[in-house]
Amino acid sequence: DVKVTQSSRYLVKRTGEKVFLECVQDMDHENMFWYRQDPGLGLRLIYFSYDVKMKEKGDIPEGYSVSREKKERFSLILESASTNQTSMYLCASSLGYAGNTIYFGEGSWLTVV
Amino acid sequence: GESVGLHLPTLSVQEGDNSIINCAYSNSASDYFIWYKQESGKGPQFIIDIRSNMDKRQGQRVTVLLNKTVKHLSLQIAATQPGDSAVYFCAENMETSYDKVIFGPGTSLSVIP
Repeated sequence: DVKVTQSSRYLVKRTGEKVFLECVQDMDHENMFWYRQDPGLGLRLIYFSYDVKMKEKGDIPEGYSVSREKKERFSLILESASTNQTSMYLCASSLGYAGNTIYFGEGSWLTVV
Repeated sequence: GESVGLHLPTLSVQEGDNSIINCAYSNSASDYFIWYKQESGKGPQFIIDIRSNMDKRQGQRVTVLLNKTVKHLSLQIAATQPGDSAVYFCAENMETSYDKVIFGPGTSLSVIP
């Protein structure tokens, strides 16, 4: 079974803090993704990566950055957390060629106060 | 029972009945489709997929139907069980573009024991 693990399930951070969300997949997938999920807005792509050290902006990259130093690990960074970044963050991965299933982690609930 | 999954409607079915969840996809060029199940507080879980060269695919208690003429996808769940209660959403993708996955808003299925 594909396993996508997000290290933090629930976080509470203060406005202005730097936040790291970590994700690890164990299926040797080339592609990794970060989405956020908000009621009424569905899933929105923040960033994705198709290879180590490669990254591409998604639909809502502002206020976020990512790091992929190893194939299995993809980190989402909030440089200076703001209250409008309170959300559920989902990491996902898929095989390298297009038209493949995207597998999700369990999600990280971030509250910024 | 049936529902149209565009604005997160709720579908309530009696335990043991069959459920039909619908999805109208947006891009006529999409050629790969996935159904996900998302339980409260968890990440989306892959259920079943179908490619555009097929119009029907069956899994364990689930069947996906694809009608490319009207850009419509449906998920049928046989003998619905309480454990099937969740939000179900479809995703569409093109085999040439792994990052351009479009997720539907979902349908909330509630199973009445």
